[in-house]
Amino acid sequence: DVKVTQSSRYLVKRTGEKVFLECVQDMDHENMFWYRQDPGLGLRLIYFSYDVKMKEKGDIPEGYSVSREKKERFSLILESASTNQTSMYLCASSFNEQFFGPGTRLTVL
Amino acid sequence: GEDVEQSLFLSVREGDSSVINCTYTDSSSTYLYWYKQEPGAGLQLLTYIFSNMDMKQDQRLTVLLNKKDKHLSLRIADTQTGDSAIYFCAVFLSGGYQKVTFGIGTKLQVIP
Repeated sequence: DVKVTQSSRYLVKRTGEKVFLECVQDMDHENMFWYRQDPGLGLRLIYFSYDVKMKEKGDIPEGYSVSREKKERFSLILESASTNQTSMYLCASSFNEQFFGPGTRLTVL
Repeated sequence: GEDVEQSLFLSVREGDSSVINCTYTDSSSTYLYWYKQEPGAGLQLLTYIFSNMDMKQDQRLTVLLNKKDKHLSLRIADTQTGDSAIYFCAVFLSGGYQKVTFGIGTKLQVIP
């Protein structure tokens, strides 16, 4: 059974903190993605990676960075969290169709 | 870039059929997907259709694709309260790095 896991379901951080969101997949997929989901805006692509150590900016990369040191793990980093980064963050991996993790609801106070 | 549009909300009575519609702009789309998101959860792939198909049926789900009008629909027969969720249309273009464009999601409310 395919599996994408995210390190936390809920996270509360303070403005200015550095935040790490981890995503792990066990399907040996080369492609991995980070989205944020906000009411009325749907899913917006932040960054994606098509290979280890490779990354590409999505539609809204500002304020975020990513790390892909191993094929199964794709990390999203908020260098200095701000309140407008309060959101649901979804990780996905794919060969053809995308498989999603359960999401991390991040609140920045 | 690709644009995918869906209506925001649909309400149906239990036992009726639901039809969720989606339009897209890029005619070179190769795979078209429907995902379901239940409250507090990630997205779950429901079904997909290749661009060379017109229809796909999978139990209570029927996907129709009109390539000329760039219109995709998902019909759920005998809708149940457990079908209440947000449904996302998603379109994959050939080439590139497996990027998929998602619609905004249609919230389906099933009234008992």
